[in-house]
This record gives sequence, structure tokens and C-alpha cells, in this order.
Amino acid sequence: DAGITQSPRHKVTETGTPVTLRCHQTENHRYMYWYRQDPGHGLRLIHYSYGVKDTDKGEVSDGYSVSRSKTEDFLLTLESATSSQTSVYFCAISHRGGLNTEAFFGQGTRLTVV
Amino acid sequence: QQQVKQSPQSLIVQKGGIPIINCAYENTAFDYFPWYQQFPGKGPALLIAIRPDVSEKKEGRFTISFNKSAKQFSLHIMDSQPGDSATYFCAASGMNTGNQFYFGTGTSLTVIP
Repeated sequence: DAGITQSPRHKVTETGTPVTLRCHQTENHRYMYWYRQDPGHGLRLIHYSYGVKDTDKGEVSDGYSVSRSKTEDFLLTLESATSSQTSVYFCAISHRGGLNTEAFFGQGTRLTVV
Repeated sequence: QQQVKQSPQSLIVQKGGIPIINCAYENTAFDYFPWYQQFPGKGPALLIAIRPDVSEKKEGRFTISFNKSAKQFSLHIMDSQPGDSATYFCAASGMNTGNQFYFGTGTSLTVIP
């Protein structure tokens, strides 16, 4: 398995609280991604990073922010969690973005907002 | 707007059958089409991928068929086994489509023994 660690693996939080999910890689890949997976919607991109301090929005970025201060770490923050953000969150890494290259996924974080 | 459309949403086949999962895209700038396999509780993992300069690619029991003119590609699983039961995602990416992968909505495959 590619060296990707997501933490925490499971979390239950209350509506309105901030939540931060962490993705740590040991592969030195340039690109890092945060997806959410929901039934009927597949994998939807939240934000991605193409280098330290370089990030861009994905398809479902509202209510989320990200930071990448080191190559190996990519943080996803739910600024004020809502029940609609209950989901499974996956981090992925890639050597060359979408250019004919594999994306490696973490094990996922199951987040429940109550 | 879904960049890659995948069907069916779910599929049940008998052991030994040949499930087929279909995907379609509109953006002709896509030039890399991977399929990912996901088991429950795990992250997706690359299964097989194809580029549009070939019409078919086989890896073991898994085959991708690619129709560039129709902008469609499909995954065939030969001699399916219960261990193939998983969710399958098609995806697309390209040099001029942003540094990201566009995923289909997934197909849940169940292979009955």
C-alpha cells in the first residue's frame, strides 16, 4: 500500500463544531486530494493541492477549507460541521496530477455529524 | 455536472458470469481512463487503465473496451468470482482538464457463488 495515513479513521461530532481531518503521505507526491464519498454520488472532489501552499477548489468545496504547509500533510477543515457533511472522506495522492498516472487512496475517514 | 457517467448503479451476477460496467464522457480532452476497485471499508485502488490510442486492454480477467468515437468505455470481468464483489469506479483525466481525476458514480457488483 502507498504510504498514506488518514486520521482520525472515525469521528462523531456535533453540528456547528469545527473538525479537521489529516492526511499524511510518505511518498513525496506533489498532488494531494480530498474526496467525499456518498451513496449515489460516487467520489466528489472537495479540494486539491498541487504543492506546498498551492490549493484549488473542487466540485463540492463549500463549507470546507484546506491547508498544506508541508509536502507530506494535507489538512481538511470543516469550518462549522453540518449534517450534510456526514460522509466518508478519502485522501488521495498522485505523482503527476491527472496526467496518465495512478491516484493512491487512503483508508478513509468516516465522519458523522449529529 | 457529472463529467463521467457510469451505469449501472448496481449489478448482480452468478459466479462465472461476465459483468459489464459502462461509462461515457463528453470532454474530448480526456486521455487517461482508469478503473478503480473498492472493497468495503477500504479506499479505491487502481484496477486497470487505458489510453485512447488503443481499443482494448486486458489484465488477467479484467478487460477495458474503449470506443473513442462514441466517447464510451467499459469494464468486462471474465469468469467473475465472489471475490470480485466490490464497488467499481470509472474515471477520466487529461493534460488540459485540470490536475484532477473525474470519477463516475460507481457500480456495486455482487457475484453470487
